[in-house]
Amino acid sequence: NAGVTQTPKFRILKIGQSMTLQCAQDMNHNYMYWYRQDPGMGLKLIYYSVGAGITDKGEVPNGYNVSRSTTEDFPLRLELAAPSQTSVYFCASSYEQATSYEQYFGPGTRLTVT
Amino acid sequence: KNQVEQSPQSLIILEGKNCTLQCNYTVSPFSNLRWYKQDTGRGPVSLTIMTFSENTKSNGRYTATLDADTKQSSLHITASQLSDSASYICVVSPYSGGGADGLTFGKGTHLIIQP
Repeated sequence: NAGVTQTPKFRILKIGQSMTLQCAQDMNHNYMYWYRQDPGMGLKLIYYSVGAGITDKGEVPNGYNVSRSTTEDFPLRLELAAPSQTSVYFCASSYEQATSYEQYFGPGTRLTVT
Repeated sequence: KNQVEQSPQSLIILEGKNCTLQCNYTVSPFSNLRWYKQDTGRGPVSLTIMTFSENTKSNGRYTATLDADTKQSSLHITASQLSDSASYICVVSPYSGGGADGLTFGKGTHLIIQP
């Protein structure tokens, strides 16, 4: 099992550009999550999904969009990138809700917006 | 508001020494507490998960303790190795059985092991 994979590892965007961060898991997990990690701060939940076709906002959803067309994939879309979106983004998955089941994290995508 | 506070922010110790990291939380009601290890440039990896009824849990040289009455947890690392250099994150879950967005993450303790 590859676990949770993310692409790209690094990306530099100019202000106003858009991009999609890819996330895939091969553990047949129902729940998937996107977090951002800013320097010296705890992980913040952006969006999550409880299954294919179902997504919901987390704590910091503004400026982002997600979709979940399959169990395996959960891409995160940034529209009109802003410097405030400079961060490290982690995708995670769990068999059921994260409050009761272990989460597995991907290796992260380091994004810089200049 | 649910909060998780970790101390110290950073710690430097010599290889072979022991250390203890602290986690205080205000999450209520409380379901479980996790400790994660995050190597530089990598995603967090689970070390232990403890429910409110567990006092201690070990994973090799890592031992986590939990006092649900005082809302405190600690992670003790025995005979540290260079590979223990990482950030250690405390994560608290407010309740079980519902909600995918309920986890509260601490800011982490950055541990450096020197040879």
